[in-house]
Amino acid sequence: DQQVKQNSPSLSVQEGRISILNCDYTNSMFDYFLWYKKYPAEGPTFLISISSIKDKNEDGRFTVFLNKSAKHLSLHIVPSQPGDSAVYFCAASDIGAGSYQLTFGKGTKLSVIP
Amino acid sequence: DVKVTQSSRYLVKRTGEKVFLECVQDMDHENMFWYRQDPGLGLRLIYFSYDVKMKEKGDIPEGYSVSREKKERFSLILESASTNQTSMYLCASSPPDRVDGYTFGSGTRLTVV
Repeated sequence: DQQVKQNSPSLSVQEGRISILNCDYTNSMFDYFLWYKKYPAEGPTFLISISSIKDKNEDGRFTVFLNKSAKHLSLHIVPSQPGDSAVYFCAASDIGAGSYQLTFGKGTKLSVIP
Repeated sequence: DVKVTQSSRYLVKRTGEKVFLECVQDMDHENMFWYRQDPGLGLRLIYFSYDVKMKEKGDIPEGYSVSREKKERFSLILESASTNQTSMYLCASSPPDRVDGYTFGSGTRLTVV
């Protein structure tokens, strides 16, 4: 049973436009959410995170939105650049239980077209 | 910068072989993790360790074991490799209280033939 779901395996966006990547979770105990970015032949790298006490966190071109009632979060990239082309993983953790394990989604491959 | 080094980028092993995947980190992190990444399945946790000589099973530990004799080194062992263990294996480390402090290695692409 997948606790973190990324239902879109791939997404194509024109350079300069907004990219929106979505993630849903089923475990109501998750209280911290992260996005990781992965290029081929490299390990994932941390991109941005959000605590469950917030509904938005922004870092430059990247914004993560959290809707706890819907158990849904999204990553917005504005404007999208060709270098953003990568696989994006949504991840979640139950920090309140003292767990620092991450549960990952299946990933969404973003292609930004020049 | 924290570095997590995985000893091999590519490995080809035969079915039934015992396989060792090595991971070393240089930032004195307490936590270390082994994941495998498969198309359509994302990253799945195999084993993790919060301290030397400690280990905990993740979501898919069957067919694997681990060893952590030193803080900086976390080894993943495939006791008897099978073709369904062909995958990308990713090691990560993190400080004890930073879930956003994961640093991943570049991965080992293991093919079992």
